Amino acid sequence: QKEVEQNSGPLSVPEGAIASLNCTYSDRVSQSFFWYRQYSGKSPELIMSIYSNGDKEDGRFTAQLNKASQYVSLLIRDSQPSDSATYLCAVNFDNTDKLIFGTGTRLQVFP
Amino acid sequence: DAGVTQSPTHLIKTRGQQVTLRCSPKSGHDTVSWYQQALGQGPQFIFQYYEEEERQRGNFPDRFSGHQFPNYSSELNVNALLLGDSALYLCASSRGQVSGYTFGSGTRLTVV
Repeated sequence: QKEVEQNSGPLSVPEGAIASLNCTYSDRVSQSFFWYRQYSGKSPELIMSIYSNGDKEDGRFTAQLNKASQYVSLLIRDSQPSDSATYLCAVNFDNTDKLIFGTGTRLQVFP
Repeated sequence: DAGVTQSPTHLIKTRGQQVTLRCSPKSGHDTVSWYQQALGQGPQFIFQYYEEEERQRGNFPDRFSGHQFPNYSSELNVNALLLGDSALYLCASSRGQVSGYTFGSGTRLTVV
């Protein structure tokens, strides 16, 4: 069974701090990894994708992938209250364009 | 450039009834995937349509069925509704493999 695991949180960080969100997955041969942000009552919004080991940066967001350890993480620098949302990790296990999602981590950024 | 459009936005049905949800993919996208998201949970994969065929299916009963039309739009049908079918139903479109999805705004289904 292909699985994606996330800590449900909430993860509380002060404004301006770095928020670190983690995700582990069950299949070592997984190829593609995605982070989505979902505000309460809204649909998920793609914020980052990563395919190779290492770091990928986009603005305040950095995705980190370690395939040997089967984890992917998302760092949010200079966290803002507007970053408060649920962050969903999604994995493509078998290159067939089907994504498996974790349960999400709720992030709270307080002023 | 229109994104993914879903209709209706909200729906209330009675146990045992049938429901049809609709989705128009983002322009240029040819693959439609449907997800069910219960409160506090991550989206659960129902099935995926490509070239008017069901390409993959998740662990959902046969009460859940779908269709894709030549213009790539799609429908999700649920028969014999149960209280447990109450959820946010998300349509996601994509093009090509492993490209990430674009989600629609979802249909909130409540079964009473």
